[in-house]
Amino acid sequence: AQTVTQSQPEMSVQEAETVTLSCTYDTSESDYYLFWYKQPPSRQMILVIRQEAYKQQNATENRFSVNFQKAAKSFSLKISDSQLGDAAMYFCAYRSAGTSGSRLTFGEGTQLTVNP
Amino acid sequence: DAGITQSPRHKVTETGTPVTLRCHQTENHRYMYWYRQDPGHGLRLIHYSYGVKDTDKGEVSDGYSVSRSKTEDFLLTLESATSSQTSVYFCASKTGEWTEAFFGQGTRLTVV
Repeated sequence: AQTVTQSQPEMSVQEAETVTLSCTYDTSESDYYLFWYKQPPSRQMILVIRQEAYKQQNATENRFSVNFQKAAKSFSLKISDSQLGDAAMYFCAYRSAGTSGSRLTFGEGTQLTVNP
Repeated sequence: DAGITQSPRHKVTETGTPVTLRCHQTENHRYMYWYRQDPGHGLRLIHYSYGVKDTDKGEVSDGYSVSRSKTEDFLLTLESATSSQTSVYFCASKTGEWTEAFFGQGTRLTVV
């Protein structure tokens, strides 16, 4: 079974600064997808970014980028120019590329605080 | 965003009573999921469905059952609620294997 670990329960960053959230995972599969989800106080789960394991290039979405290290099984999220609206719980998630119902396995979450 | 509605949004119930949570989607998505969210655990899969009347267990399925008689509805039933089932429950749905999941806004269930 796959596991996802987020070792930072809480992080904080100053507005306009850069912060990196860590995620490691364990799998024996070679083909899979990785995701970062944002959960603001409204509880809504919002997809921030996704990475296909077969792609060497790191995914980028505006101020959000990832550092995907397949051999190390590491998938960190970098938020540049942090904004107050970035404050939220962030979840790292794994999904097999096989036919296991396309289920997501989530990490424990990292609560990000953005200080003005 | 996909139209996914969970009901109720909040519920308080007593230990030992049955509870049913409803997830309704208007996108004709094939796959539907129920997760629970607890502090320190992230979201954990309870049950999922890959079509009408096709369901399977997730990692924390004990004490829960599901039904899917129509594409748009996925029901989660706590057969006899316990305090350990106090949690926030999320429904999600998606069109196919390679598409992204959309989440409902969650149901906060408190078992007293």
